[in-house]
Amino acid sequence: GQNIDQPTEMTATEGAIVQINCTYQTSGFNGLFWYQQHAGEAPTFLSYNVLDGLEEKGRFSSFLSRSKGYSYLLLKELQMKDSASYLCAFMDSNYQLIWGAGTKLIIKP
Amino acid sequence: IAGITQAPTSQILAAGRRMTLRCTQDMRHNAMYWYRQDLGLGLRLIHYSNTAGTTGKGEVPDGYSVSRANTDDFPLTLASAVPSQTSVYFCASSERRIDSSTGELFFGEGSRLTVL
Repeated sequence: GQNIDQPTEMTATEGAIVQINCTYQTSGFNGLFWYQQHAGEAPTFLSYNVLDGLEEKGRFSSFLSRSKGYSYLLLKELQMKDSASYLCAFMDSNYQLIWGAGTKLIIKP
Repeated sequence: IAGITQAPTSQILAAGRRMTLRCTQDMRHNAMYWYRQDLGLGLRLIHYSNTAGTTGKGEVPDGYSVSRANTDDFPLTLASAVPSQTSVYFCASSERRIDSSTGELFFGEGSRLTVL
């Protein structure tokens, strides 16, 4: 079967670093995605990893290990505007996106 | 501003009524999708269209229908609404079909539907 799992909620402090983990199980894999969704708004694309390793994009980085079925999103120099839900999704062998339930990130001053 | 427009933003509907959620994009994207988002669950694909004139079923298609008469419009119809269809519905698009792109989806702002 297929499944994807990420923590329901995390809390971090403004200016700090936070790592949001995502684990998945699938027989076919065609990439892993991270999206950001502010409350009451549309999800917006953050990153796409298809090969192992770290992809850096400004304050945000995304890591993938295909052998471990594991990814993380690293957010540095946290700002209050980073308070949002972060959605992890993988593309399966049928090129369907399978989404996690999202991690709600709360930033405290 | 280019993007995806959904209507209505919010709607309360009596069970058994017919409802169409509208979605229009002006980015000339080939592929379009309808998702529902429920608390505690990931986004679930209802229907999709890889190009104008074609549609396909997603993970949870029952009770829903779509059409894609042209590139820009992708309406979602609930023929006879039931309370379990209470959800937030997101329309999305991608430049090309998902298996030939980076997977970046552009989402509309969502339509919050309550079925009583």
